Amino acid sequence: AQTVTQSQPEMSVQEAETVTLSCTYDTSESNYYLFWYKQPPSRQMILVIRQEAYKQQNATENRFSVNFQKAAKSFSLKISDSQLGDTAMYFCAFIMNTGFQKLVFGTGTRLLVSP
Amino acid sequence: DGGITQSPKYLFRKEGQNVTLSCEQNLNHDAMYWYRQDPGQGLRLIYYSQIVNDFQKGDIAEGYSVSREKKESFPLTVTSAQKNPTAFYLCASTPGQGPWGEQFFGPGTRLTVL
Repeated sequence: AQTVTQSQPEMSVQEAETVTLSCTYDTSESNYYLFWYKQPPSRQMILVIRQEAYKQQNATENRFSVNFQKAAKSFSLKISDSQLGDTAMYFCAFIMNTGFQKLVFGTGTRLLVSP
Repeated sequence: DGGITQSPKYLFRKEGQNVTLSCEQNLNHDAMYWYRQDPGQGLRLIYYSQIVNDFQKGDIAEGYSVSREKKESFPLTVTSAQKNPTAFYLCASTPGQGPWGEQFFGPGTRLTVL
């Protein structure tokens, strides 16, 4: 069974600084997708970034980028120029590229951005 | 605007009662999902449905039931058999075909058992 591990329950960073959230996963599959979802205090889940396993290039979305190490099964999220609005729970998630799209989530990292 | 709506936002239940959580989407998505979220845990899959009139158990289906009579609706019933139902419940949907994996989430329902 696939598992996703987020080893940092909480992190804090000051505004404008950079922070990296860690995620590791376990799978024997070679074709899959990885995601980072953000859940702010409103509790609405929002997709931050997506990485296809067959792509070597790391995904980037504005201030958000990932470091995807397929051999190490590592998928960290880097947030640059942190903003107060980045305060949220961040979930790493995994899905196999099969007929049924079942997401497997990590336990989340609570990020606090302070002024 | 297209999206997913869940109602109610807050729900209180007495022990021994069944309650139904509503989930509606106007995204024309084929697949719909119910997740449960507890403090310190990630989202866990309760039930999912890939097409109308078909649904499958997820990882924690005991004490829950669903129906999928219409494409846009996927209600979840929390029965009295669910021993610890107090949690945050999220509904999600996907088109059923690419881009793979991105799930669109509703705003959630907070269920509290009194």
